[in-house]
Amino acid sequence: RKEVEQDPGPFNVPEGATVAFNCTYSNSASQSFFWYRQDCRKEPKLLMSVYSSGNEDGRFTAQLNRASQYISLLIRDSKLSDSATYLCVVNPGPSGGSYIPTFGRGTSLIVHP
Amino acid sequence: DTGVSQDPRHKITKRGQNVTFRCDPISEHNRLYWYRQTLGQGPEFLTYFQNEAQLEKSRLLSDRFSAERPKGSFSTLEIQRTEQGDSAMYLCASSPEGGGLAGQETQYFGPGTRLLVL
Repeated sequence: RKEVEQDPGPFNVPEGATVAFNCTYSNSASQSFFWYRQDCRKEPKLLMSVYSSGNEDGRFTAQLNRASQYISLLIRDSKLSDSATYLCVVNPGPSGGSYIPTFGRGTSLIVHP
Repeated sequence: DTGVSQDPRHKITKRGQNVTFRCDPISEHNRLYWYRQTLGQGPEFLTYFQNEAQLEKSRLLSDRFSAERPKGSFSTLEIQRTEQGDSAMYLCASSPEGGGLAGQETQYFGPGTRLLVL
């Protein structure tokens, strides 16, 4: 099993739709979690951190489920400009030995008119 | 622009040649990361520095890869005897030391160096 797994998609949705992505991780001791956004041929940029209690930033909501070892990203009222690849990042805890940020392969989102 | 910068942005080289990439992090950031990204994959961690100390290098892909950060500011990534499989985007990221474990704070990425080995 890969350390961090994401469905590569693409998720093809109309404007205004709600879409959700999951990201599963294998190391139960993982301590911090993030969602990054990467536009085509650009560098990744932080979208949001994922907190244990869940967090929301405008149309974006991130959740952490430690029991099932996954994080999720919900996008409401999708915009054309949301089209991008969404990367989840998981950082192992001390039991991992080294603090190596591990990226998923990304989920591609295409929002169409 | 006070973001992370990388140079060159593009590099074409012939198999067997050595290449060196430079990364200038955000000035107050003392943590610096190198990643490799291939098409359809997420960034793959290579190594990281805290100031001038290279604290993790077990993920460097082979002994042909090496990185330095001699004065705790800019960093270089060198690939010796390049192979066609080294063709990829090489990303650098920096982050401040926020009191947490490395990698637990926001990373700011540079635009990357795209390497093509012929």
